[in-house]
Amino acid sequence: DAGITQSPRHKVTETGTPVTLRCHQTENHRYMYWYRQDPGHGLRLIHYSYGVKDTDKGEVSDGYSVSRSKTEDFLLTLESATSSQTSVYFCAISESAGGRTDTQYFGPGTRLTVL
Amino acid sequence: QKEVEQDPGPLSVPEGAIVSLNCTYSNSAFQYFMWYRQYSRKGPELLMYTYSSGNKEDGRFTAQVDKSSKYISLFIRDSQPSDSATYLCAMSEGSFQKLVFGTGTRLLVSP
Repeated sequence: DAGITQSPRHKVTETGTPVTLRCHQTENHRYMYWYRQDPGHGLRLIHYSYGVKDTDKGEVSDGYSVSRSKTEDFLLTLESATSSQTSVYFCAISESAGGRTDTQYFGPGTRLTVL
Repeated sequence: QKEVEQDPGPLSVPEGAIVSLNCTYSNSAFQYFMWYRQYSRKGPELLMYTYSSGNKEDGRFTAQVDKSSKYISLFIRDSQPSDSATYLCAMSEGSFQKLVFGTGTRLLVSP
């Protein structure tokens, strides 16, 4: 998984509770991404980061926030979890944003269930 | 209409068969095309990467892009049970890369 770890790997939580997922990389790549994967929707981009403290919204950002205080860590926070946020969450990294080196590599995923 | 369309399958074939997986897209600005393979309960892993039109071959895998038809294909020759996985197409316009994924096609190769 290209030097990417995600924690926790599994989590069950209750509606209304805050949840933070962590992505850690050892590749020193500049770009990091958070996706969610749901049946019938494929992978959808939630937020991404193009450097420390530089983040932007993706396609499905409502209800999520992110932070990146170090190159190697990208945190995804669900401020108040809802059942619609039950999903598998993947972190991805890429070296750059142009040419062959912009290929994204994915972590192992976090399976989140919101009851 | 989704920006990228992919038949979800499952596609079931016997070992040794030639497999054809396809995606269609609507955005003519897409220039970068990728195929990812995802085993059950794992993250997607990059299989093939193609820029613009044409073919690219890597071992048993061939990726084909037809920009005039907005259609991309992945061919797997001599398919193996270990090829059983979900195959995701992905594409982007370039510059800052935002990938748009297909929903994936599940492939089952039986011994």
